[in-house]
Amino acid sequence: DVKVTQSSRYLVKRTGEKVFLECVQDMDHENMFWYRQDPGLGLRLIYFSYDVKMKEKGDIPEGYSVSREKKERFSLILESASTNQTSMYLCASTEIGGLSTDTQYFGPGTRLTVL
Amino acid sequence: DQQVKQNSPSLSVQEGRISILNCDYTNSMFDYFLWYKKYPAEGPTFLISISSIKDKNEDGRFTVFLNKSAKHLSLHIVPSQPGDSAVYFCAATTRYNQGGKLIFGQGTELSVKP
Repeated sequence: DVKVTQSSRYLVKRTGEKVFLECVQDMDHENMFWYRQDPGLGLRLIYFSYDVKMKEKGDIPEGYSVSREKKERFSLILESASTNQTSMYLCASTEIGGLSTDTQYFGPGTRLTVL
Repeated sequence: DQQVKQNSPSLSVQEGRISILNCDYTNSMFDYFLWYKKYPAEGPTFLISISSIKDKNEDGRFTVFLNKSAKHLSLHIVPSQPGDSAVYFCAATTRYNQGGKLIFGQGTELSVKP
């Protein structure tokens, strides 16, 4: 079974703090993704990575950065948290696109509240 | 610009009846479509998918229909069960894109009443 784990289920931070969200997958997947889920907006892609040290911006990268130093780990960084970054953050991983089924496997999510 | 749209935020159905969840897309390059199911406090899980070379794919109680000319797909759940109550996301992609990116809709919250 594919397992994607996220470091925290719930997190409360203050405006201006630097926030790290960690994601680890155990299936040797090449591709990893960070989404945020907000009511009425669905899942929106923040950043993704298709290899170690490689990253690509998604649809809403502003205010975020990422790090992928090892294949199994993909970190999302909020450099200076703001209240509009209060959201559910979901990490996912998948095998290489193209001939794969493109099924993404998701972690349980981190509910981040910025006060 | 929302390339994948689920126009019904919620749907309520009686147990045993059919649930029909709809999804529309605008990008004619999409050639693979997926449905994910999400319970509260859990990550989405893959449910069923369909390639654009097909117009129907069935897996137990779940069937996905694709109408390419209308750029529309639907998920049918028959019979609906209370455990099906969840948020359902439709997603689309082009199979040979770099990185395996998916474009998700807004989600439809299904409530199946006993």
